[in-house]
Amino acid sequence: DTGVSQDPRHKITKRGQNVTFRCDPISEHNRLYWYRQTLGQGPEFLTYFQNEAQLEKSRLLSDRFSAERPKGSFSTLEIQRTEQGDSAMYLCASTIAGAEQYFGPGTRLTVT
Amino acid sequence: AQSVTQPDIHITVSEGASLELRCNYSYGATPYLFWYVQSPGQGLQLLLKYFSGDTLVQGIKGFEAEFKRSQSSFNLRKPSVHWSDAAEYFCAVDANQAGTALIFGKGTTLSVSS
Repeated sequence: DTGVSQDPRHKITKRGQNVTFRCDPISEHNRLYWYRQTLGQGPEFLTYFQNEAQLEKSRLLSDRFSAERPKGSFSTLEIQRTEQGDSAMYLCASTIAGAEQYFGPGTRLTVT
Repeated sequence: AQSVTQPDIHITVSEGASLELRCNYSYGATPYLFWYVQSPGQGLQLLLKYFSGDTLVQGIKGFEAEFKRSQSSFNLRKPSVHWSDAAEYFCAVDANQAGTALIFGKGTTLSVSS
């Protein structure tokens, strides 16, 4: 068991560019979550999947944000036309349904 | 409004002293309750959880938390703090008890003085 992994750990991009982050959950976990954490705040829920189905996406911050989990294993979070306000830590978590969530190390995004 | 409140933004305790971090929630029913710790540059590590049953729960690293329904609180405690406990601590709730979204407080930064 290698835990939740995220790639890349750091991403610097210019305003207007698209970025994509990857999350690999713990292997037997069927639920996967994305959160955003800004400086001085707790994580903020964005979306989650059960297997390949995206069960909640109303909290995605705008239509520039989208997430996929095509085969029920890894997931990607894409931000299109990045803005400086998108600079944050993006966290992924996974769990077996109904249990506690285990978090990855996060991807820190800096938009210049 | 539904929320999780951690009243203390920053706490400093001496090494070896006891610690209590406060957490209050405002939800109609008793949610699932969690405490996580985050060290600089690291992800969140689960310290302990409360789903039901005994209101005093034990966690890792010598931490414990007590659920008090009448006060809507879930305070984290440790009898003797170590320098390595310096980190940011987050209280979180799963309001629906359904393994959906966690709602986090803003966190409490713990500093440990020698």
